[in-house]
Amino acid sequence: DVKVTQSSRYLVKRTGEKVFLECVQDMDHENMFWYRQDPGLGLRLIYFSYDVKMKEKGDIPEGYSVSREKKERFSLILESASTNQTSMYLCASSRRTAGLGQETQYFGPGTRLLVL
Amino acid sequence: AQKVTQAQTEISVVEKEDVTLDCVYETRDTTYYLFWYKQPPSGELVFLIRRNSFDEQNEISGRYSWNFQKSTSSFNFTITASQVVDSAVYFCALSEDDYKLSFGAGTTVTVRA
Repeated sequence: DVKVTQSSRYLVKRTGEKVFLECVQDMDHENMFWYRQDPGLGLRLIYFSYDVKMKEKGDIPEGYSVSREKKERFSLILESASTNQTSMYLCASSRRTAGLGQETQYFGPGTRLLVL
Repeated sequence: AQKVTQAQTEISVVEKEDVTLDCVYETRDTTYYLFWYKQPPSGELVFLIRRNSFDEQNEISGRYSWNFQKSTSSFNFTITASQVVDSAVYFCALSEDDYKLSFGAGTTVTVRA
């Protein structure tokens, strides 16, 4: 079974704090993703990584950065948390595509972040 | 513009009723992939199905079935004889490249005993 774990299920932070969200997958997947989920908006892609030290912006990267130093770990960083970053954050991973279209993404349990 | 539209925000049914979730997508590509995910109250998205644009055969998996119609750009999902454990948010998603998934807003299904 694919296992994607996230460091925290719930997190409360203050405005201006630096926040780290960690994600680890155990399936040796090349691709990893960070999404945020807001009511009525579905999931929106923040950043993704297709290899160690590689990263690409998604649809809403502003206010976020990422780090991928090891294949199994992908971190999302909020440099200076703001109240509009209160959300559910979901990490996902997938195998590298074999030229047959996107492989299935497998998701972690999510982190509910509240910024006060 | 929204690439995936799930027009139904919430659906409430009584156990054993059938429920159909609509998904309409928009793309100019001829090759693309469609997905359905389930998000139970625990929060983790659970993969249900992946379908490529060249395979229009309907699929059945237990009480779940999917109806893919390219002519109407729809990929609808039916739960037959619903159960309380089917209560969840269901997401339809479209992939037009090797990485990005465009999700619909989700449909919340509540199955009452």
